[in-house]
Amino acid sequence: QQPVQSPQAVILREGEDAVINCSSSKALYSVHWYRQKHGEAPVFLMILLKGGEQKGHEKISASFNEKKQQSSLYLTASQLSYSGTYFCGTPDQGAQKLVFGQGTRLTINP
Amino acid sequence: SQTIHQWPATLVQPVGSPLSLECTVEGTSNPNLYWYRQAAGRGLQLLFYSVGIGQISSEVPQNLSASRPQDRQFILSSKKLLLSDSGFYLCAWSEDRDRNEKLFFGSGTQLSVL
Repeated sequence: QQPVQSPQAVILREGEDAVINCSSSKALYSVHWYRQKHGEAPVFLMILLKGGEQKGHEKISASFNEKKQQSSLYLTASQLSYSGTYFCGTPDQGAQKLVFGQGTRLTINP
Repeated sequence: SQTIHQWPATLVQPVGSPLSLECTVEGTSNPNLYWYRQAAGRGLQLLFYSVGIGQISSEVPQNLSASRPQDRQFILSSKKLLLSDSGFYLCAWSEDRDRNEKLFFGSGTQLSVL
């Protein structure tokens, strides 16, 4: 079953913060985060493997709450290069496939 | 290092014509392979995935099919394209270890069915 992302779209000014949420009605074993620039392929950002795990890369970080079956992606002091569509993906239990949320479009304006 | 090749980059086809998109991976063996489709402004829909030669799992019933004739080759086909087949098709691969391997995507094929 497809995870649900919120919000669907965010518009920020450069330097502002954003939070993107990903939730599932099924138990989550891990959560992947990817970013896709317009017309390009999605690029892997990070994977969270354990409940409560937090990871970060530069000013992009994420948390994983296994009990609540959700993950959040945090973008701090956003840069123009952060613009794009962000997808969370969750592995399907018992199968080696990744199911993605519908995506969150992030627009950063100068 | 591993690389993934997908072609063509752009394709314009008339309704009812056949389709063949090819994807190859280099630098790894026995990868898991995937075909995703993305309609304009929409999310990533998993179409097919394969964990080995000749092993294809279909996620969405439709007029598309997939084949894996070689370990690192994945082909998406259709005998007769529909207007609704238009979209951005992405091939991806992952290591064949467990559910937590990240995906590496090809550059995609933008298909327009007219």
